[in-house]
Amino acid sequence: EAGVVQSPRYKIIEKKQPVAFWCNPISGHNTLYWYLQNLGQGPELLIRYENEEAVDDSQLPKDRFSAERLKGVDSTLKIQPAELGDSAVYLCASSMGQGQTQYFGPGTRLLVL
Amino acid sequence: GESVGLHLPTLSVQEGDNSIINCAYSNSASDYFIWYKQESGKGPQFIIDIRSNMDKRQGQRVTVLLNKTVKHLSLQIAATQPGDSAVYFCAEKNTGFQKLVFGTGTRLLVSP
Repeated sequence: EAGVVQSPRYKIIEKKQPVAFWCNPISGHNTLYWYLQNLGQGPELLIRYENEEAVDDSQLPKDRFSAERLKGVDSTLKIQPAELGDSAVYLCASSMGQGQTQYFGPGTRLLVL
Repeated sequence: GESVGLHLPTLSVQEGDNSIINCAYSNSASDYFIWYKQESGKGPQFIIDIRSNMDKRQGQRVTVLLNKTVKHLSLQIAATQPGDSAVYFCAEKNTGFQKLVFGTGTRLLVSP
C-alpha cells in the first residue's frame, strides 16, 4: 500500500514569492494534517481536515498561509508571500479518522532566500 | 500550557546494547502517547503507542513505559542496531482535543 505522497520534495524560492505544497493521503484516510517542522524540533500542527472540512486551523498563520482539500482527498498548502522564517519542512500526515494513528509523508523541504 | 520534552538531546550507544530514550510531559490530562522515529530526510514513522490506562506496552524489540505519577514516558530498544539510528520523538494527546503535541526529539547514534 502506498504511503502519504508529497511533492515537491525540495523547494528553493526567494522571499516574497508564492509557494505551494501538495499532499496525497493514504487511500481511505479521511483525516489529513499539515505540520511544520523546524530543524531539531518536533512537528507542529498547522491544520487538520476531516474530509473536506478544516476542523482545526487555529495554528495556521492566515495572513499568508492557506490550505484546501476540495474533494476530501488531496490537499494543497500555500504560502504567499513567503518569508525567510518560513524555511522549514512541511509534513503532511493522514489517518483513517480522528484519534487514529497518523502516518506521515516524507515532507517538503522549503528554503526561502 | 502543555508541553512535551526530552531529557537528553543525543544518546550514543554501541550496537547490541539496549537503549532507553526518556520523555517528560506536563499535561496531566493527556491520555494517549506515541513514539515516532524519524530518519534523515524522511517523515516521522510510528513505532509504538500507549494509553494512560496502561503502564507498559511491548512491541518488536521496543517497550514503552508510562509513569503517570511523575509524568514520564520512556522508549526502550533492545539489541540496538545501526538501523535504529534516528531522531526519536515522543508525542502526547488529549483525546478530547485531538491535537498531537510533539517533543523536541532525541538523536540516537548507534556505532558498530
